[in-house]
Amino acid sequence: DIQLTQSPSSLSANVGDRVSITCRASQSIDSYLNWYQQKPGKAPNLVIYAASSLQSGVPSRFSGSGSGTEFTLTISSLQPEDFATYYCQQGYTISFGQGTKVEVK
Amino acid sequence: QITLKESGPTVVKPTQTLTLTCTFSGFSLSSSRMGVAWVRQPPGKALEWLSLLYSNDDKRYNPSLGSRLTITKDTSRNQVVLTMANMDPADTATYYCAHMGAAVDFAMDVWGQGTTVTVSS
Repeated sequence: DIQLTQSPSSLSANVGDRVSITCRASQSIDSYLNWYQQKPGKAPNLVIYAASSLQSGVPSRFSGSGSGTEFTLTISSLQPEDFATYYCQQGYTISFGQGTKVEVK
Repeated sequence: QITLKESGPTVVKPTQTLTLTCTFSGFSLSSSRMGVAWVRQPPGKALEWLSLLYSNDDKRYNPSLGSRLTITKDTSRNQVVLTMANMDPADTATYYCAHMGAAVDFAMDVWGQGTTVTVSS
């Protein structure tokens, strides 16, 4: 099984901050890596697919990078609506990371 | 517009079999390069992928759940059904179905609202 490890597990930030979340795969997954945002009580929402492609309707402050085993989700200027939990998901054998909660500092 | 909705029992007893139905609109599983996935989330915990079914009838299952899972489709009714055998209180979770399309490299781009299942005697 391919394991995904996200870091950090949680972070505190202010509105306007630049925030980065890392996802590491236990073996190469090329660019088969997706990122989701989830708010409490809601279904996840696709943010980035194929490591770096921005999903339609998602603000351009979100970006993704990486390939192989290391990937990064970056929010260039954190907005109030971005406080949520973010999950990476690999598309090789399908599994999710453990999540990163982005909280208000 | 693609929509999905999960349905099924809200409470099941331990050892029973859970049957969940995902009813969708806006796409057809008779079309190529589509799929439907099932994902669950125990209270306060992370997302866990369960199973997926592609339009070519290719089926995949989470290895950790072994033979407990079965996924099927009813193309005429636009439904995907997931059964999970031998339910345990640890299976208490919100269960989601999601659309997967080639346009987003088979990421899960549209999700249902989820249905909550409690396993209790």
